[in-house]
Amino acid sequence: EVQLVESGGDLVQPGGSLRLSCAASGFTFSNSWMHWVRQAPGKGLLWVSRISSDGSSTSYADSVKGRFTISRDNAKNTLYLQMNSLRAEDTAVYYCARDPPGSGSWFDYWGQGTLVTVSS
Amino acid sequence: DIVMTQSPDSLAVSLGERATINCKSSQSVLYSSNNKNYFAWYQQKSGQPPKLLIYWASTRESGVPDRFSGSGSGTDFTLTISSLQAEDVAVYYCHQYYTTPHTFGQGTKLEIK
Repeated sequence: EVQLVESGGDLVQPGGSLRLSCAASGFTFSNSWMHWVRQAPGKGLLWVSRISSDGSSTSYADSVKGRFTISRDNAKNTLYLQMNSLRAEDTAVYYCARDPPGSGSWFDYWGQGTLVTVSS
Repeated sequence: DIVMTQSPDSLAVSLGERATINCKSSQSVLYSSNNKNYFAWYQQKSGQPPKLLIYWASTRESGVPDRFSGSGSGTDFTLTISSLQAEDVAVYYCHQYYTTPHTFGQGTKLEIK
C-alpha cells in the first residue's frame, strides 16, 4: 500500500525556518517524481514545488522561489522541503504528492498533510 | 501561468440527480504531439487530502465509481456525476499539468439539495 506521511509542521515566527519531511513507503520511491502542494486555511490548492526522481531537476512556484528548497534522499525514501524566510502567507497545510512513474504529472497519492503556521 | 477557472463556485443537487462542474483554462492544455489533454480532476472531502478522480481529462482512476466522468478538450472541461450520492459531498478541483507551475481551479463546493 502506498503511504506518504508528512512531518515537521509547526508554529514559527515570520522570518524563521522550517524543514518538512515526507516519508514514502509501498512503492519504489526512486522511480517517482514528487511534489509539494499547499492549502491555506479555508482556501484552494497551490502547487509549491516538484523534484525529479533522481533529484537532478527541481521547479518552484514564483511565490516561494529563492526561499524554499525541495530535496530528496532516495536511500531513506524521504522527500524534504526546506522553508526559509517564512511569511504569514506561507501558513497552510503542506501536502506531499506522488507523480505516478511514467505519467504526465497528475498526483495519484497524497499524504495527510502537515500544518505550518507563521505568526508572531 | 495557466489560469484555471471553475464554475460554479458552489452547487446544490438532489440525491440521484446529475451534477456538472466546469473548468476553463486560460490556454490550451492539449499537447499536439500525443493528442492528450494534460488535465485532471480531484475530490476533497472535509478534513482529508485531495483524491484523484480523473486524469488525461477523461480517464477514470482505478477504484473511482463509474458515475464520475470527465470530458472536454483544449481549454474547456467538464466533470459529471451522473447520479449524486451522499458521499459525493466535497470540494472538486481541476488541475492542469501541461506546464509548470501546475495550477488548480479555485474549487467547486458540491452539496446536497
